Amino acid sequence: GDSVTQMEGPVTLSEEAFLTINCTYTATGYPSLFWYVQYPGEGLQLLLKATKADDKGSNKGFEATYRKETTSFHLEKGSVQVSDSAVYFCARQRTDYKLSFGAGTTVTVRA
Amino acid sequence: NAGVMQNPRHLVRRRGQEARLRCSPMKGHSHVYWYRQLPEEGLKFMVYLQKENIIDESGMPKERFSAEFPKEGPSILRIQQVVRGDSAAYFCASSPALEDSPLHFGNGTRLTVT
Repeated sequence: GDSVTQMEGPVTLSEEAFLTINCTYTATGYPSLFWYVQYPGEGLQLLLKATKADDKGSNKGFEATYRKETTSFHLEKGSVQVSDSAVYFCARQRTDYKLSFGAGTTVTVRA
Repeated sequence: NAGVMQNPRHLVRRRGQEARLRCSPMKGHSHVYWYRQLPEEGLKFMVYLQKENIIDESGMPKERFSAEFPKEGPSILRIQQVVRGDSAAYFCASSPALEDSPLHFGNGTRLTVT
């Protein structure tokens, strides 16, 4: 079935380090892809999205490129801050509207 | 423009009691989704509703769980005779349309069954 697999955490980084969270998906068709972020005690917020191959989503210094050939949507940020500490979820939207989420990656950034 | 509103934020119930979780979608959104997040896991789809209609409940447990989205008022997720395994965070999301519309999530209700 359709699924999303993302890098297991937790990930601990120092401020200004480079962050990559890998995400791959199984697909039938061409799903829209998303990264959501969940800050402590809060709900999920949409971080960025891409709706077709080679699209690059970006927001708050984060980027992810929709790679059809590798079925990947890796999240990157060049210089993380303490405020980026959160759980990050990769998700894909199936043609029947449902979102399938990865298990989440906990990121902790230390000053 | 208020976001998706869920209440209560935290709910404690004893085994066997009923839990009622409420969700008011964003203004202008007529589609509501409920997801459950078990500890250390990602979100799992439960049910998709439109006003007065259940569109897809394929993720709902077969017993004790029900959901509604009446013509007036919030969407309600109801869990009867709760058990410890029901302890989780329950998130509601809404959207204005189906295709390529990202879901907007509420802050969730954290249910603890003692």
